[in-house]
Order: sequence, then structure tokens, then C-alpha cells
Amino acid sequence: SQQGEEDPQALSIQEGENATMNCSYKTSINNLQWYRQNSGRGLVHLILIRSNEREKHSGRLRVTLDTSKKSSSLLITASRAADTASYFCATGDGGATNKLIFGTGTLLAVQP
Amino acid sequence: GAVVSQHPSWVICKSGTSVKIECRSLDFQATTMFWYRQFPKQSLMLMATSNEGSKATYEQGVEKDKFLINHASLTLSTLTVTSAHPEDSSFYICSAPLPRGYTFGSGTRLTVV
Repeated sequence: SQQGEEDPQALSIQEGENATMNCSYKTSINNLQWYRQNSGRGLVHLILIRSNEREKHSGRLRVTLDTSKKSSSLLITASRAADTASYFCATGDGGATNKLIFGTGTLLAVQP
Repeated sequence: GAVVSQHPSWVICKSGTSVKIECRSLDFQATTMFWYRQFPKQSLMLMATSNEGSKATYEQGVEKDKFLINHASLTLSTLTVTSAHPEDSSFYICSAPLPRGYTFGSGTRLTVV
């Protein structure tokens, strides 16, 4: 099952520009997380935001969460070529197993 | 930190054979393990949730007889793809929930020829 829809599906920017990715989800959540995946590799956890938080920062990353709209955004500032990857949001329902459901993903390409 | 070791990292098998993928929690006890499948250029789809000492819970549309999951101990969960076919070729990845997040295996790329 897919919980989140992300847009854009693909994003191409120049190095130094900011990249914004959006995620919408369907059900109530306990938390929302963002992950990065380089081509054909495992996942790297970027940031977790809890349902009672509205904004969180980590280095060049800024995540917002609007539970009333069931949406989140990930902003990467001053992008670098090394940021080229797929980015996924994922939501945990906080239930008995707290399973993590991933969004559709955004493929970010940062041109040097 | 909590690490899940997943093996093999890649495997090529002949159509009709079975392949076993292992995920071991190295420094913690994993009572639950999530198994995901990811086709090229797509997202991770949750296949099933394994629970130590009990039957796995499969997501809708996932064949439990084809994807056998065993979670016999607190440190080992396995996924066996039985009678594999080319359409089973995919990236399989496991994940264990932690008190403050999740930890993922490095993934297994399965190619069925």
C-alpha cells in the first residue's frame, strides 16, 4: 500500500539552487520521515518530524508538516551535485507495529 | 547504533528456483521486521511484517505462499522467494522499528534469469 503522494516526481536544478519536494498523505500519522536513496542503494534517514511539530531543521534541510492538510515539504538549500538522489517521505501510523509506509518519491537531479 | 545486516546484497538465480534473503539485527533484538520490495524507479512497497514467534502479516496482493517469511528468533528474519520468476526481479529491503525511528538493511538486488 502507498500512503504518500509526492510531487514533483522529478526535479532538475542547478547547483546552489534550493529544491523543494512535497508529500501528501492520507491517514492519521504519528510521525513523518524523509529518506534519501542513491540509485540502487539502501536508504539514508534524513529527518523525522512528529505529528505535534510544525517545522524542523537539520543542516541544509528544512521540513514542514501541516497535519490539517496532511502534507509535508522538504527543502534542501544551496543544493550540491551530491544531493542527486531519490527522496521519499514515509509515515508511521504509531500503531501496534508502527509500520512505515513510503510515498511515491521525487527524483532530484542537481546539475553541476 | 542499531544495525540490520542484510545478505546477500545481490543474487542472480534461475527461474523456478528459490532464494532466501536474511536480515540480522546485530546489536539489538528485533521483535518486528518489515519487508519491502522496490521495482526500478519506483517507491518501496511494504510486502509484509514479520513478528518473532508468530505468523507474518502480509499486505494486500502479496502472495504468502510465494514470499515465505520466517522470524524464528529475535535477531533473524528471513524472506524466501519461492519458485522465482523474472517478474520477481527487484530490490528487497528489510527494516526494523526502533524506539526512535527505524533501521534498514542495505538491500538485496534479486535478478531472476
